[in-house]
Amino acid sequence: KQEVTQIPAALSVPEGENLVLNCSFTDSAIYNLQWFRQDPGKGLTSLLLIQSSQREQTSGRLNASLDKSSGRSTLYIAASQPGDSATYLCAVQAAGNKLTFGGGTRVLVKP
Amino acid sequence: GAGVSQSPSNKVTEKGKDVELRCDPISGHTALYWYRQSLGQGLEFLIYFQGNSAPDKSGLPSDRFSAERTGGSVSTLTIQRTQQEDSAVYLCASTPEGGRYGYTFGSGTRLTVV
Repeated sequence: KQEVTQIPAALSVPEGENLVLNCSFTDSAIYNLQWFRQDPGKGLTSLLLIQSSQREQTSGRLNASLDKSSGRSTLYIAASQPGDSATYLCAVQAAGNKLTFGGGTRVLVKP
Repeated sequence: GAGVSQSPSNKVTEKGKDVELRCDPISGHTALYWYRQSLGQGLEFLIYFQGNSAPDKSGLPSDRFSAERTGGSVSTLTIQRTQQEDSAVYLCASTPEGGRYGYTFGSGTRLTVV
């Protein structure tokens, strides 16, 4: 059974610092990995999708890496801003099509 | 439509009543998923539709929960005889095929059972 773990569970940084969020998964036979952002009381917003054949994806200040063999992904957010405060979730898709989510990392960027 | 639409956005119901939650996926997306997020908990898979059929219903927590999809489009999640532990945010997602191109989520329905 696939298990996804996110560390740390919570993170507080001053504005301008780079953020590093970690995600690990137990079964490396995945199709893809997706990073989401969730604001309080809201749904999920997709940030980056990494296919199993890819090593990384970039969008603006966001960069996500994937090491499938070791079961790890890292989301980097450069030059953090207060507006980056949210919960960040990673999810993997394997056979059977459903996504398995990690518990999330709650991020607070202080002005 | 432009995104995944869910209604209602909020629902308060009395214990024992039935509720219906609606999901309108992105036009052309053949796969549709329901998830549940309880307070302080992670996202829990409920059911997956490919077209109108549901190959995976393994996440439905009890026989009080059912879902259907018609015309390969709109889906309805029904909870009968609601209990307080059913209180959660119910999220719907759709993808073009079996999810290999990423999921798009709706804003969710917040269900409160009193």
